[in-house]
Amino acid sequence: KAGVTQTPRYLIKTRGQQVTLSCSPISGHRSVSWYQQTPGQGLQFLFEYFSETQRNKGNFPGRFSGRQFSNSRSEMNVSTLELGDSALYLCASSLGQGHNQPQHFGDGTRLSIL
Amino acid sequence: AQKITQTQPGMFVQEKEAVTLDCTYDTSDQSYGLFWYKQPSSGEMIFLIYQGSYDEQNATEGRYSLNFQKARKSANLVISASQLGDSAMYFCAMREYSGGGADGLTFGKGTHLIIQP
Repeated sequence: KAGVTQTPRYLIKTRGQQVTLSCSPISGHRSVSWYQQTPGQGLQFLFEYFSETQRNKGNFPGRFSGRQFSNSRSEMNVSTLELGDSALYLCASSLGQGHNQPQHFGDGTRLSIL
Repeated sequence: AQKITQTQPGMFVQEKEAVTLDCTYDTSDQSYGLFWYKQPSSGEMIFLIYQGSYDEQNATEGRYSLNFQKARKSANLVISASQLGDSAMYFCAMREYSGGGADGLTFGKGTHLIIQP
């Protein structure tokens, strides 16, 4: 069974640009969550999508947005990039939304802002 | 206040010894899940083990077990017979359920475990 697939693996952008990251969940998984990992702030929850609806959102500015498609694939968009957006962005999928559902992570997209 | 506290930033352990990684959590919810993840230097997050707040038995998965002490709000990970490949960052995480649905995972700062031959 294929795992969570994130593309691209690496991205280099400049300040002010926007970026779109993609995530394909494990087959059959309907919940997709996004996390940001930085050395200073650690792992922080961005948002979660289930059945194409955003169910939860972390404490991030509106420049961070996402969506989920009918096949459960998800995209995350960051507009007006700032230097502080440099991070590893991790996508995770789970069967459902319950607190007992383990989230399985992809390898991440490493975003560098110059 | 931090919701997940991992007090050991780094640990050195001899190969084949057992390891205990500490995790304490803070929540007022009755329903929640506790998870441990492993992150090798390559970056991927690997799910290790889950413990539900209502589970009476400690969770076990192969060489991993979770020492769950609900009254102390403690969820320590125990790795038996450590191997060189266990060297990695280990994160404790919690998912709370507040009636409207489960929240996102809240992670601790992690413990960097190094297994020495």
